[in-house]
Amino acid sequence: QSALTQPASVSGSPGQSITISCTGTSSDVGAYNYVSWYQQHPGKAPKLMIYDVSNRPSGVSDRFSGSKSGNTASLTISWLQAEDEADYYCSSFTSSSTRVFGTGTEVTVL
Amino acid sequence: QVQLVQSGAEVKEPGASVKVSCRASTYTFTTYVIHWVRQAPGQRLEWMGWINAGNGNTKYSQKFQGRVTITRDTSASTAYMELSSLRSEDTAVYFCAKSGGYHFDYWGQGTLVTVSS
Repeated sequence: QSALTQPASVSGSPGQSITISCTGTSSDVGAYNYVSWYQQHPGKAPKLMIYDVSNRPSGVSDRFSGSKSGNTASLTISWLQAEDEADYYCSSFTSSSTRVFGTGTEVTVL
Repeated sequence: QVQLVQSGAEVKEPGASVKVSCRASTYTFTTYVIHWVRQAPGQRLEWMGWINAGNGNTKYSQKFQGRVTITRDTSASTAYMELSSLRSEDTAVYFCAKSGGYHFDYWGQGTLVTVSS
């Protein structure tokens, strides 16, 4: 199972919006609405930000939103803040009942 | 609040095995799946496998099939991940994560496994 493809880095200024893409195949991202997104600060465990493509867990800011079109899912961070600077990973359920992660995106707040 | 507490850091020689534990608390352990995920230094997250804590069924990534074994002890609300035939490339932080459906809703703090002679 190959990793889902994400851009290596995305940057934006405070207050701007950024979007991170996550491209898979018709056996994972395209087949199911089971894409999730995780935020990871250095040396920390990942934190769930979005699940089932567009649902936000309790306690996660509504500045984070998710969507999907075909084999590509997206995470949008609105009103970018310094605390959003972190690595972000997407993950998908697969047709083999396994899970696959994305290659990861480093978000920099300029 | 759900907690997953993992065992401490390990240093192993090439060819050895390592067993990492993950103790769950404040939820019914047997109701959910536990996943194992690893992250080599400076690298991406990598899914290894899962165990249904209720019935013990497992599923492994093809990459680790034959080298990884995930088990659980329901009386101790603890899941275990054992990786054998260790090589330097297995040096990584190993995380357990509780399944909230098709996502990982709670994570352990991570266990650093260093493989070195």
